[in-house]
Amino acid sequence: NAGVTQTPKFRILKIGQSMTLQCTQDMNHNYMYWYRQDPGMGLKLIYYSVGAGITDKGEVPNGYNVSRSTTEDFPLRLELAAPSQTSVYFCASTETTEAFFGQGTRLTVV
Amino acid sequence: DAKTTQPTSMDCAEGRAANLPCNHSTISGNEYVYWYRQIHSQGPQYIIHGLKNNETNEMASLIITEDRKSSTLILPHATLRDTAVYYCIVRVEETSGSRLTFGEGTQLTVNP
Repeated sequence: NAGVTQTPKFRILKIGQSMTLQCTQDMNHNYMYWYRQDPGMGLKLIYYSVGAGITDKGEVPNGYNVSRSTTEDFPLRLELAAPSQTSVYFCASTETTEAFFGQGTRLTVV
Repeated sequence: DAKTTQPTSMDCAEGRAANLPCNHSTISGNEYVYWYRQIHSQGPQYIIHGLKNNETNEMASLIITEDRKSSTLILPHATLRDTAVYYCIVRVEETSGSRLTFGEGTQLTVNP
């Protein structure tokens, strides 16, 4: 099993550009999550999903969108990137207890 | 959501036990306590979880007070590789699913 895979690992965006952060898991988990982590801070929940077709907002959803068309994939869309979205983004999945995290996407908006 | 409070940082000597405290005074009866750690800037790693009984696995022990308002994660013989940020989380169960919300964690530094 590959676990949770995030792509890309690094990305530089210009202000106003858009991009999609990809997240896929091969563990058939229903629950998936997107977090952002600013330097020296904890993880903030952006969006989460409890299964295909079902998503819900977390603590900091503004400026982001998600979709969950399959169990495996949970992409995070950034529209009109802003410098405040410079961060490391983590995707995670779980079924009941242990959550598995991807290695993160480091995004810089300039 | 039940909130957790952890010290910002702690130090521990290599080979000694590291005891990391967490307060969760507003925890509900069906909420579990989870511990994760994050080494450098990697994705967080699950350590252990429990409801009201003490738990032990190959990584750590979790001690939950009888009133469930606080807990302690114990790393029995800390090594340099245990230097990380440790997060105490209370798992929130909602009708629409299960949120997994992190606080700021405790930076544990294991010194030689």
